[in-house]
Amino acid sequence: AQSVTQLDSQVPVFEEAPVELRCNYSSSVSVYLFWYVQYPNQGLQLLLKYLSGSTLVKGINGFEAEFNKSQTSFHLRKPSVHISDTAEYFCAVRITGGFKTIFGAGTRLFVKA
Amino acid sequence: DGGITQSPKYLFRKEGQNVTLSCEQNLNHDAMYWYRQDPGQGLRLIYYSQIVNDFQKGDIAEGYSVSREKKESFPLTVTSAQKNPTAFYLCASTAVQTKTEAFFGQGTRLTVV
Repeated sequence: AQSVTQLDSQVPVFEEAPVELRCNYSSSVSVYLFWYVQYPNQGLQLLLKYLSGSTLVKGINGFEAEFNKSQTSFHLRKPSVHISDTAEYFCAVRITGGFKTIFGAGTRLFVKA
Repeated sequence: DGGITQSPKYLFRKEGQNVTLSCEQNLNHDAMYWYRQDPGQGLRLIYYSQIVNDFQKGDIAEGYSVSREKKESFPLTVTSAQKNPTAFYLCASTAVQTKTEAFFGQGTRLTVV
């Protein structure tokens, strides 16, 4: 079975500072990896995804993530955050050829002025 | 534009009542899902369906029921047997056997009054 662990439940950071949201996963088979963002009282929106190929993936709003197979991690980074990045972020996995997506518990990013 | 529509956005239920949450998609996706979201617990899978007239229980199916009579529609009924139904409910869909991510609706917030 697959599982996803988001290592930080909350991450406070000042505006224009860099941020890293950490995600580890567990799976005995190959997986696709995703990061989603959720603003209050809204659905989830895809930030980026890793399917294969280059381990550095760029997404929307200046976010990027790096897939590290040996460490089974898929950390999300942004070099300079804005107030508008305040939201909840979810890491997720889906086995290749499968259809069910497993989500982490979420990390609440709070950007302070 | 293609997408997933959930209705209503807010729903209030009296104790002992059944309520049905609507989810419609025009993405031509085969698989549809219902998740429940509670603060700090991420997304928990209630039910999912890979094909019309077929569905499977997820991790927390007790007190819920679904139907899949049409490819586009996957309504969720929260029955009186669900003892703690107050939550944010999210519907999602994916195209089976492809590398696409899950697409989400905007959610329904259910409150027991």
